[in-house]
Amino acid sequence: DVKVTQSSRYLVKRTGEKVFLECVQDMDHENMFWYRQDPGLGLRLIYFSYDVKMKEKGDIPEGYSVSREKKERFSLILESASTNQTSMYLCASSPESSGGAKIPQETQYFGPGTRLLVL
Amino acid sequence: GENVEQHPSTLSVQEGDSAVIKCTYSDSASNYFPWYKQELGKRPQLIIDIRSNVGEKKDQRIAVTLNKTAKHFSLHITETQPEDSAVYFCAASSFNWVNRDDKIIFGKGTRLHILP
Repeated sequence: DVKVTQSSRYLVKRTGEKVFLECVQDMDHENMFWYRQDPGLGLRLIYFSYDVKMKEKGDIPEGYSVSREKKERFSLILESASTNQTSMYLCASSPESSGGAKIPQETQYFGPGTRLLVL
Repeated sequence: GENVEQHPSTLSVQEGDSAVIKCTYSDSASNYFPWYKQELGKRPQLIIDIRSNVGEKKDQRIAVTLNKTAKHFSLHITETQPEDSAVYFCAASSFNWVNRDDKIIFGKGTRLHILP
């Protein structure tokens, strides 16, 4: 059974603080993703990684950075948190696609989410 | 930019009846279309997906149809049950071999209520 965990379920931070959101998967998946989920906007891809030390921008990378030093761990970093980054953050992982696409066309397994409030 | 439109945003269906959720996409290169179900307070989970070389796929009470010409795909749930109540997200994924431009774009979600 695939397990994707996120370091916190709830976080409260102040504007300007540096925030780290950690995601760990235990299935040796090559690909990992960070999304944010906002009411009425669905899921929006922030960044993804298809290999260790590799990262690609998604649709809304501004204000975020990521780190993938180890295969099982993908970190989302808010260098200077702002109130418009208050959201639910979802991490996901998936196995490598045989099709060669960097965004794999395989099932994504999601973590439980981190609800971040920036004051 | 590319986008995925999902309709309706809310859907109420009598238990036992069918539910249909529709998505349209703009990127003609899209070739993989997953559907995720998210129950209240839980994480999204894949329920069914379809690739562009297939027009229809079925898994028990759930089916997905794809019309590549019209660029739309639909989720069909038959004989709905209370546990089908959730938010459903469609997505369209594509990759470009030339410029390696990969995308996955989600719809905004449909909240499905199954009425007793």
